[in-house]
Amino acid sequence: KAGVTQTPRYLIKTRGQQVTLSCSPISGHRSVSWYQQTPGQGLQFLFEYFSETQRNKGNFPGRFSGRQFSNSRSEMNVSTLELGDSALYLCASSLGKWRIGSDTQYFGPGTRLTVL
Amino acid sequence: KNQVEQSPQSLIILEGKNCTLQCNYTVSPFSNLRWYKQDTGRGPVSLTIMTFSENTKSNGRYTATLDADTKQSSLHITASQLSDSASYICVVSCPRNTSGTYKYIFGTGTRLKVLA
Repeated sequence: KAGVTQTPRYLIKTRGQQVTLSCSPISGHRSVSWYQQTPGQGLQFLFEYFSETQRNKGNFPGRFSGRQFSNSRSEMNVSTLELGDSALYLCASSLGKWRIGSDTQYFGPGTRLTVL
Repeated sequence: KNQVEQSPQSLIILEGKNCTLQCNYTVSPFSNLRWYKQDTGRGPVSLTIMTFSENTKSNGRYTATLDADTKQSSLHITASQLSDSASYICVVSCPRNTSGTYKYIFGTGTRLKVLA
């Protein structure tokens, strides 16, 4: 069974630009979550999509947005990039069971975004 | 304030030795606690998930314990191997007041190095 894939793996952008990252979940998984990881802040939760609807959201500004397609693939968009957006962006998929305790998340390798 | 603190920040042990990593949290209300292993340059891998009613859970040589009264968790690694060298992240999730949503509070991780 193929794992979670993320594209691209590496990306370099300049301030003010926008970027779109893509995530393909494990087949059969309906939930996709996005995380930002930086050396200073560690892992932070961005949002979660389930059946094309955002059902959970972290504390990030509106410049960070996402969507999920009918095949469960998800995209994350960051507009008006800032230097502080440089980070590893991780996507995780899960079956999406409502009982949080039983839902194991499987992470992709991440997209390393550098903003110059 | 909801916080998750992990100790030690870093740890060096010899191959074959056991070690214990700590996670203390002040999160309330509590839904579940997860331990992840993250190899350098890769996404985190789930080791264990525990709800408040579970005191211990094992995954091979990894055993997590949870004391919901003192709000402490530990991850014990038995007979360490070189491949155990990684960062170990503790994550606590708690339900929000709004129906069905929850938030994740991440620890900053413990970096473990196993030497031959």
